[in-house]
Amino acid sequence: GAVVSQHPSRVICKSGTSVKIECRSLDFQATTMFWYRQFPKQSLMLMATSNEGSKATYEQGVEKDKFLINHASLTLSTLTVTSAHPEDSSFYICSASPMWGGGDTGELFFGEGSRLTVL
Amino acid sequence: GQQVMQIPQYQHVQEGEDFTTYCNSSTTLSNIQWYKQRPGGHPVFLIQLVKSGEVKKQKRLTFQFGEAKKNSSLHITATQTTDVGTYFCAGNRDSGYSTLTFGKGTMLLVSP
Repeated sequence: GAVVSQHPSRVICKSGTSVKIECRSLDFQATTMFWYRQFPKQSLMLMATSNEGSKATYEQGVEKDKFLINHASLTLSTLTVTSAHPEDSSFYICSASPMWGGGDTGELFFGEGSRLTVL
Repeated sequence: GQQVMQIPQYQHVQEGEDFTTYCNSSTTLSNIQWYKQRPGGHPVFLIQLVKSGEVKKQKRLTFQFGEAKKNSSLHITATQTTDVGTYFCAGNRDSGYSTLTFGKGTMLLVSP
C-alpha cells in the first residue's frame, strides 16, 4: 500500500522558535497533500491544502504567515510553524492521495503525525 | 458549508458485543470514506462507499451508504479488543478528494 512518512514524530521547542515538519510520499507521487491539526480526543481539522509548485490553499481561520507550507516536489511537502507559542502545541498530520495511473484514487494515506510541544 | 455529523461521540462495550457508529451529512455526498485511528496513531483508510444504498463488508465490519447518499454507518459484529480506536467518517462532496470533510469521530473502547 501507499506510504506517507512524516518527520519528526515528536518535537519540543521554545516559544518564539520555528519548527519544520516534513511529509513525504515514499512510493507514490502526489500533486496535492493535506495538513491537519488534531487536538486530544478530537477530530481532524484541515488546515491547508498543499499544491505542488504553487501556493497552498488555507482553510478559514488558519494564519498562512504562521503556518508556512511548501510543496517543492511531487513527494515532499513541509509545514513550518513560525514563532511558535504554547497554544500551537498539537498533533499535526499530513495526508496524500496516490496518483495511480494518473488519477487520484480517492482514499487518503496519512503520515504518522508530528506531536509539537511548545514550552 | 458542508457538515458531517457523527454519533455517538464515545462508546464503551464489552468484548463480543456489537457496535455501530452513524454518520450524517448536511449535503448529498459523492462518496464517503471511513478511517480508523488507534490511540496514539494516525488515521488509516478502511473503505470507500460510492453507490447509493451500497453495503460493503470487511470481516466483522459492515459499511452502509444510505439511499439518499447523505448518511452512512459502520457496524462491528462481536467486537474484539483490537477494535479499540476512533472511527472517522469523511464525506466527499465531489468525486475527488479535495472536498473531504471529516466527522468528529466515534471513540470505541472494548473491555475484555
